[in-house]
Amino acid sequence: GNSVTQMEGPVTLSEEAFLTINCTYTATGYPSLFWYVQYPGEGLQLLLKATKADDKGSNKGFEATYRKETTSFHLEKGSVQVSDSAVYFCALVPAPNAGGTSYGKLTFGQGTILTVHP
Amino acid sequence: NAGVTQTPKFQVLKTGQSMTLQCAQDMNHEYMSWYRQDPGMGLRLIHYSVGAGITDQGEVPNGYNVSRSTTEDFPLRLLSAAPSQTSVYFCASSRHTSGRNNEQFFGPGTRLTVL
Repeated sequence: GNSVTQMEGPVTLSEEAFLTINCTYTATGYPSLFWYVQYPGEGLQLLLKATKADDKGSNKGFEATYRKETTSFHLEKGSVQVSDSAVYFCALVPAPNAGGTSYGKLTFGQGTILTVHP
Repeated sequence: NAGVTQTPKFQVLKTGQSMTLQCAQDMNHEYMSWYRQDPGMGLRLIHYSVGAGITDQGEVPNGYNVSRSTTEDFPLRLLSAAPSQTSVYFCASSRHTSGRNNEQFFGPGTRLTVL
């Protein structure tokens, strides 16, 4: 079956530090890959996405590149801010030809808590 | 647009009680779903619906019922609450496409405690 594995957290950084959150996946074919972010007390919101190999998703200074050869979608940001403190989820939607219908069925990783200190 | 709304925000139940978590969206989305969020486990799909009158089970459906009588509403029912159902519940919606470019819009969540 499909699965997503994220690096263990929590991650604690100082403001302006470089961020990497690792994400690897197991799925048939070419799934769509997503990063969602959950700010304290809120629901999840889409941060970025990529739908084919070598695509780079980017938003709010965050980037992630779809690497088919390593089945990875690592999240990076060059200089984090206190306002980036949140829980980050990597997720996938199966490829349409992977059997059955995807209908947007997201499979999530376990989430990584990021805390940024001033 | 209010987006996806959920009520209540917090709820405490006793074992065996029943309740309904409400979810509504005003974006005319065909696809709606319910997830539960537990520490260290990410979000897991409970039930989903691809349109009014059509529902199906997700990864962890036991103990939960759903119905979809309108496009806007997708309530989640707990018929006999158990402590294992203590969790944060999120409703989400998206356009009904093949799924590859689907962005799911999430509600603010309902924190449920079962004593």
